[in-house]
Amino acid sequence: QVQLVQSGAEVKEPGASVKVSCKASGFSFNSYGISWVRQAPGQGVEWMGWISVYYGNTNYAQNFQGRVTLTTDTSTSTAYMELRSLRSDDTAVYYCARDVALYSARPSCHDFWGQGTLVTVSS
Amino acid sequence: DIQMTQSPSTLSAFVGDRVTITCRASQSISSWLAWYQQRPGKAPKLLIYKASILESGVPSRFSGSGSGTEFTLTISSLQPDDFATYYCQHYNSDSGTFGQGTKLEIK
Repeated sequence: QVQLVQSGAEVKEPGASVKVSCKASGFSFNSYGISWVRQAPGQGVEWMGWISVYYGNTNYAQNFQGRVTLTTDTSTSTAYMELRSLRSDDTAVYYCARDVALYSARPSCHDFWGQGTLVTVSS
Repeated sequence: DIQMTQSPSTLSAFVGDRVTITCRASQSISSWLAWYQQRPGKAPKLLIYKASILESGVPSRFSGSGSGTEFTLTISSLQPDDFATYYCQHYNSDSGTFGQGTKLEIK
């Protein structure tokens, strides 16, 4: 069955970086795109960016341009999200999510999600 | 970026009621719209994509309609499980912007 398993909770100081992993199984990882979505405590969901594993291209939300990098490792079927220059308002649960569409050249909607990774930014 | 605006932000209803949530896009997005349900502490769950296509396994009391800039999610007869937060999302562009969410509460 399709699974996306994310790395564990992180606590970081302001100004630091965090890298969250998302290990995929149960489907052809190379054929899909993966998006990252975050949710601050008590707030709505916010789309951060997308990477096409198939084409290798990325799209980032304007709010995160220059601060986030999405990558994949096809040898381990793992996607990564790195967020730099962390601030207290980056405290959130971060989700990875699989595209519905195969071989899409643009972000699609998402049918399978990881369990979420809580990143806490605090001094 | 295209902005997505949902209304209402909160909706109170009884079990058995028919409810409608609206999502408006700041410019035409054709039918590139998805709806999700999120329960507390869980990841969002895809309900509908391409404005009106029901995701596999989703009960038929959920339906979506619209195109261009105005879209609706309708639940025909609310069940206890349906009290949750609902999000729309525009996709198939350079971004995947979500609406701000509609919290559906039991009256």
